[in-house]
Amino acid sequence: EAGVVQSPRYKIIEKKQPVAFWCNPISGHNTLYWYLQNLGQGPELLIRYENEEAVDDSQLPKDRFSAERLKGVDSTLKIQPAELGDSAVYLCASSRTVYNEQFFGPGTRLTVL
Amino acid sequence: SQQGEEDPQALSIQEGENATMNCSYKTSINNLQWYRQNSGRGLVHLILIRSNEREKHSGRLRVTLDTSKKSSSLLITASRAADTASYFCATDSGATNKLIFGTGTLLAVQP
Repeated sequence: EAGVVQSPRYKIIEKKQPVAFWCNPISGHNTLYWYLQNLGQGPELLIRYENEEAVDDSQLPKDRFSAERLKGVDSTLKIQPAELGDSAVYLCASSRTVYNEQFFGPGTRLTVL
Repeated sequence: SQQGEEDPQALSIQEGENATMNCSYKTSINNLQWYRQNSGRGLVHLILIRSNEREKHSGRLRVTLDTSKKSSSLLITASRAADTASYFCATDSGATNKLIFGTGTLLAVQP
């Protein structure tokens, strides 16, 4: 079974530029999560999807962050414009349902210069 | 905000020794989970213990949970160099089905 796929693995951008991350969850997993992990910290949830619906986006900074999961499969997380403080690892995870174990992708390491 | 605090922040041991790391949390939980993260494989789920359980084993891993003290411990026995990683506890309060991760323990196992 293929794991959660994320791309790109690394991204370096100038501040104020836009950036997008892509995630393809494990096949059959209805729940998809985006996490932010700062250096030396544990992951923090940004948004959770149940199929196409964003059911928990309370931690997503909506002024500059957006996410979509149009067909209930893969998902995109966007930042526009990026700020220096957005430098972090962005993790995607999926689970069969919200009650099941989460499987994490390798993450995208973002560096904003 | 992070729910859990882990102790110690960093731990260095020799191969073959046991490693113990602790997690304290703040609110009532439905379950507590432990994850491992290294640069090669990302974040991997290790074990889940429910609030009505006190101890659980999986291979060389032993997890305990004390809900009265709001704390958990992870014991790795007979450690190997491949166990070198960061270990995180994560709590699920059940109310929101949201995992709240701790700050992590960085374990280094010297060969």
